[in-house]
Amino acid sequence: QVQLQESGPGLMKPSETLSLTCTVSGGSISSYYWTWIRQPPGKGLEWIGYIYASGSTNYNPSFKSRVTISVDTSKNQFSLKLSSVTAADTAVYYCARDRGSYWDHWGQGTLVTVSS
Amino acid sequence: DIQMTQSPSSLSASVGDRVTITCRASQSISNFLNWYQQKPGKAPRLLIYAASNLQSGVPSRFTGSGSGTDFTLTITSLQPEDFATYYCQQSYSSPRTFGQGAKLEIK
Repeated sequence: QVQLQESGPGLMKPSETLSLTCTVSGGSISSYYWTWIRQPPGKGLEWIGYIYASGSTNYNPSFKSRVTISVDTSKNQFSLKLSSVTAADTAVYYCARDRGSYWDHWGQGTLVTVSS
Repeated sequence: DIQMTQSPSSLSASVGDRVTITCRASQSISNFLNWYQQKPGKAPRLLIYAASNLQSGVPSRFTGSGSGTDFTLTITSLQPEDFATYYCQQSYSSPRTFGQGAKLEIK
């Protein structure tokens, strides 16, 4: 049973770079796509981007200038970096396994709050 | 971007009822439509993929249908654990987008 777990700081200041890691257990990170999705408190879901195990990426243009997703197959992890955060980036961030068109396994989510 | 619009945004129903949630895309997306269920404080859970395929482990009272621009999620014989928010999501083109959600509450 594949499991995903997000980790990273829960509180950040404006203008900092958000950095989250998703650790995959119970299966290999190879041969799949891996996605980041976020959800502001009380609001809907927003896709951020995905990475394939080979390292190829696709980002939501809404984030394109600020986002980087990377993968470390040796650690079975993939990561999200989002630069120049503002209060609008306050959200629960989820990582998920991407089957190319749908997400079948999700992490529990981690709340990131941006506040001065 | 493809806009996804769900209706209704909220609905009330009783245990045992049959409910239908609709999702409309701003352009044709063939059958690249998925449905997720989300309970408070939890991650979304995949219910239906490719418009009508039931994800493994999901009860058969959930069914999805549609193609092109109009899709439906139907839940027959509502159970207490079905009260949640439901999201549709298109994977036809990038960026992948979600509907705004449909909150199903107990009447």
